[in-house]
Amino acid sequence: ETGVTQTPRHLVMGMTNKKSLKCEQHLGHNAMYWYKQSAKKPLELMFVYNFKEQTENNSVPSRFSPECPNSSHLFLHLHTLQPEDSALYLCASSQDASGGAYEQYFGPGTRLTVT
Amino acid sequence: DQQVKQNSPSLSVQEGRISILNCDYTNSMFDYFLWYKKYPAEGPTFLISISSIKDKNEDGRFTVFLNKSAKHLSLHIVPSQPGDSAVYFCAARAAGNKLTFGGGTRVLVKP
Repeated sequence: ETGVTQTPRHLVMGMTNKKSLKCEQHLGHNAMYWYKQSAKKPLELMFVYNFKEQTENNSVPSRFSPECPNSSHLFLHLHTLQPEDSALYLCASSQDASGGAYEQYFGPGTRLTVT
Repeated sequence: DQQVKQNSPSLSVQEGRISILNCDYTNSMFDYFLWYKKYPAEGPTFLISISSIKDKNEDGRFTVFLNKSAKHLSLHIVPSQPGDSAVYFCAARAAGNKLTFGGGTRVLVKP
C-alpha cells in the first residue's frame, strides 16, 4: 500500500452503534489529521496529532473520540452519533504539524451514514 | 463565518483555454496557501502552494497568484485539459499546520 489508506470506505451505522474508522499512512510522516466534509460545506478540521500527541481538537463533540497509537495509524471511534454526523470523513498526514509549511496528503475518505 | 471563500461554485471552460479560479480569505494570520484538486471517490490531491511572502508560484500549467493587500488568491490553469475536470479547493494555513478550506469550485473542461 502507498500513500494514505482509510477503512472502511463506506459505513452505515445506527445511532446506538459503536464503530471505528481507521487511517494508515505509508509516507513516514509524523502528523495526522481528521477532517469532516458535510454536504454543501467546506472540509472542516476536527483533530490534529503530531508525533502521536493531540495538538488540536476543533470543538468536536465527545461522541467522536480519536486515537493515535503511533505515527502511522489514526483511529476515529464513533458512538451514539446523530443523523447530522453523516458525512465524508477524511484522514490526512504531513511531515510535521509545527513550524514549516508541510503539505497534507489525504486518504480517499470514509462515507458515513448514520440512520 | 467562513474565513476562506470560493465564490464561484462552478466553472466551464473550453479545452486549450485558460481556467481562472478565485479564492478570498479574511484572516491576516494565514501564512501559506494551497490548492487541492479532488476527483469523485478520491481524497483531495495537493496541487500547488504559495507562501505569504511571495506573490506568484508557477508549476507547469499551474500558476498561483497571491494579492495580500486584497486577501485574494487565484489559480490559473493554462492550457486547460479535459483531465483537469475536478473540484478545486483553496486552503489557507494557520499555525500548527491547520488548514481552513474553501467550499470548492467544480471545473468542467469541454473537449
